[in-house]
Amino acid sequence: DQQVKQNSPSLSVQEGRISILNCDYTNSMFDYFLWYKKYPAEGPTFLISISSIKDKNEDGRFTVFLNKSAKHLSLHIVPSQPGDSAVYFCAASASIHNQGGKLIFGQGTELSVKP
Amino acid sequence: DTGVSQDPRHKITKRGQNVTFRCDPISEHNRLYWYRQTLGQGPEFLTYFQNEAQLEKSRLLSDRFSAERPKGSFSTLEIQRTEQGDSAMYLCASSLQQGATEAFFGQGTRLTVV
Repeated sequence: DQQVKQNSPSLSVQEGRISILNCDYTNSMFDYFLWYKKYPAEGPTFLISISSIKDKNEDGRFTVFLNKSAKHLSLHIVPSQPGDSAVYFCAASASIHNQGGKLIFGQGTELSVKP
Repeated sequence: DTGVSQDPRHKITKRGQNVTFRCDPISEHNRLYWYRQTLGQGPEFLTYFQNEAQLEKSRLLSDRFSAERPKGSFSTLEIQRTEQGDSAMYLCASSLQQGATEAFFGQGTRLTVV
């Protein structure tokens, strides 16, 4: 039962353009969503998060959008840079339901930004 | 404090042997999590501690797996009688207890069972 899904295993964009990474979830108890970035042989690095009471959160070049009715979130990176090339994981938790903050991850999307 | 630290970074072991991994969380974080990641998949939750109490274990955590956090600081994950299917990256993360906060991950321990 894959509660968090990233349907695109890979994405390639040109430097300077926008990267849009998508994520869908099925569990309506999820109330906190996060994006992590992972380089090979390293642990995931926290990027940006959003609470279910919001529909947008922005941090520099990174913006996360949440559409609760569609159970969909997306990460926008503008402008994309070659150093953004990594695997991006979407994750969700049901914190207010006393789930202890454990994260349920998607399968990841490998982003490649071409110079 | 430089973040979550895991030791060793790599471990190669023969099938049937026992292995133990260590995780040192960020010092002020009282929640500690263990995840496992295999190739092409996202991290999968194994277990978590709040201080020294182990509050949840995944069905993925068979009887051969045991985790401890004896003094509410560092944690160990032991795998007994390793199998080839145990080969994976084992990730530790820590977070603050209150509210919805992000978890910070260590660099992981890559286990290879031969």
